[in-house]
Amino acid sequence: EDKVVQSPLSLVVHEGDTVTLNCSYEVTNFRSLLWYKQEKKAPTFLFMLTSSGIEKKSGRLSSILDKKELSSILNITATQTGDSAIYLCAAYYGGATNKLIFGTGTLLAVQP
Amino acid sequence: DGGITQSPKYLFRKEGQNVTLSCEQNLNHDAMYWYRQDPGQGLRLIYYSQIVNDFQKGDIAEGYSVSREKKESFPLTVTSAQKNPTAFYLCASSISGREEAFFGQGTRLTVV
Repeated sequence: EDKVVQSPLSLVVHEGDTVTLNCSYEVTNFRSLLWYKQEKKAPTFLFMLTSSGIEKKSGRLSSILDKKELSSILNITATQTGDSAIYLCAAYYGGATNKLIFGTGTLLAVQP
Repeated sequence: DGGITQSPKYLFRKEGQNVTLSCEQNLNHDAMYWYRQDPGQGLRLIYYSQIVNDFQKGDIAEGYSVSREKKESFPLTVTSAQKNPTAFYLCASSISGREEAFFGQGTRLTVV
């Protein structure tokens, strides 16, 4: 059965801390790994990773894929209260049924 | 502005009633998706459609139905057969074959 697992399920940190969120996947016909941020309602796209070992970076956020370990991490440095959200990881598999499978999400709370 | 519009934002349903959630996009995307999100869980795929007049069941299709008569529209009907319909419903769309999905603001359905 295809699945995506995220850890931790929830996390509380203080402003300025660095956090690492984990995502592992078992997906047939895997094509890419996506990260989304969900603050209130609509998830917004952060990164898409297709190649192993190549870091993608946007400001204080960065992410990397390890195809050998079937996993990805999302790092957030110098966290701010505005980083508080649910972070969703999704695996995309192609073939006849192109679709995204999402993990349970990690709820991040950044305290002042 | 291009985007995905879901309506209504909040919906209350009496037990035994069918309700229809609207999803409209003007992004000219071929693929559209419906996800369900419960507290502490990630997004679970209900139905998806790659082209007009065609759709496939996702992982939790029982008790739901969809139609795709127009490219821009992908309504979801929650039938009385869905035993636990209270949840947050998200619609998404993407360019066919492309991984990145764009989400609407969601509809929160409550059974009263």
